[in-house]
Parts: sequence; structure tokens; C-alpha cells
Amino acid sequence: GESVGLHLPTLSVQEGDNSIINCAYSNSASDYFIWYKQESGKGPQFIIDIRSNMDKRQGQRVTVLLNKTVKHLSLQIAATQPGDSAVYFCAENYSYDKVIFGPGTSLSVIP
Amino acid sequence: DGGITQSPKYLFRKEGQNVTLSCEQNLNHDAMYWYRQDPGQGLRLIYYSQIVNDFQKGDIAEGYSVSREKKESFPLTVTSAQKNPTAFYLCASSISTQNYGYTFGSGTRLTVV
Repeated sequence: GESVGLHLPTLSVQEGDNSIINCAYSNSASDYFIWYKQESGKGPQFIIDIRSNMDKRQGQRVTVLLNKTVKHLSLQIAATQPGDSAVYFCAENYSYDKVIFGPGTSLSVIP
Repeated sequence: DGGITQSPKYLFRKEGQNVTLSCEQNLNHDAMYWYRQDPGQGLRLIYYSQIVNDFQKGDIAEGYSVSREKKESFPLTVTSAQKNPTAFYLCASSISTQNYGYTFGSGTRLTVV
């Protein structure tokens, strides 16, 4: 899951298993959420988004779940592959020009 | 293919120098952003621009300056007033500032020597 600090949380999963990455967002007024994937030395890539009027959204091998009651967001990756190894972070959009990025979780896939 | 191009990929700055990081997009996006990324921390907003000839300070604008003379371009200058400039700098764009995902560039790693 997410935490504030200098050391990224790390999640290690076996290739082929499912991964769940968690994010606690900060503002109950946030109405749009995005998950990004960042590989080492590269810019973040958009993975999937969800609006606050939904609690679940599925993409290809990824699912995002939103629990507004506890301000929690999760990213599920099915059948995790070595290419999924990266830092994943969530972003919340709570006003027209305010986006907050979490510090990220480092996912390591064990072949 | 549309996208954002940042250059250079690596940049070295001497003490007291100003350096400019380039960011160009061909996505026809109105909004552009500059973020700073330090190890183990979330992205921190330096400046953003919603439209040509307009830009706003972000959370950590001190020691930085920007311009937005063209829709496609949003260069960032790291001035000598920025006391700790060593970081990974990311440029991003979006259709607008409201509720749209960002497209990021590949970043510029700036190191003070």
C-alpha cells in the first residue's frame, strides 16, 4: 500500500499470480482517480482511471476498485508478468487544477 | 505518433548556472505541467499552464521559471536560485486541467556538478 516517506513500499509476487496494489487517497472531495505505471528511468504511463460515481472498472488484465467510504483505491493485476515490474502510483483529482500523486508502490515480479 | 518529447534526457548543471529543459507535445493538448520527482516521493507540481500565454505556480515553484508562447511547447528553466535542483523532471500534458489523465514525457535527469 501507499505510505508517506522516503522508502517505497514493495510488493513481490510470483509470475502468474495476481497482484493487488493499494492506495489511500487524501481528499473525500476527489472525483477522479488514475493509476500510473512507471518503469525505471521513464515517465509514468496511464493504466486505468475511474470516476467517483463508479466503484469498479476493468481494463485488460487490470481492475481498479474504489471505496469512497474509507477513501481507498486498489489496482489488481491479473496473471502478473515480468513486464509488470515497475512503480505504480495513484493520483486523485479533487479540483479542476489539483492533482495529488501518491509516492508509489514498487512491484517486483519473481520469474 | 502523438506524444511528448523531453530533452535532454540527462543534464548536468554547474553551481550558479541556469539551465532550460525542453518539453514539446503534438497531442493538441491545452494543459501542460512540470513535475519534480525525488526518490521515494510523489510527484510535486512546479508549474502548470492551462492555455497559451498563461501559467500558474505549483507547490514548489521557487527557483524555477516557465513560458508558454506556443501551445506545443512548455520549457522549464531551473535557475541558480533553486538550491537543490538534482532530481528527475517530468513534463506532462492533458486535454484540460479537469478530470483527464496525463500523458507524460520520458523525463530529464538533472544533476548538479
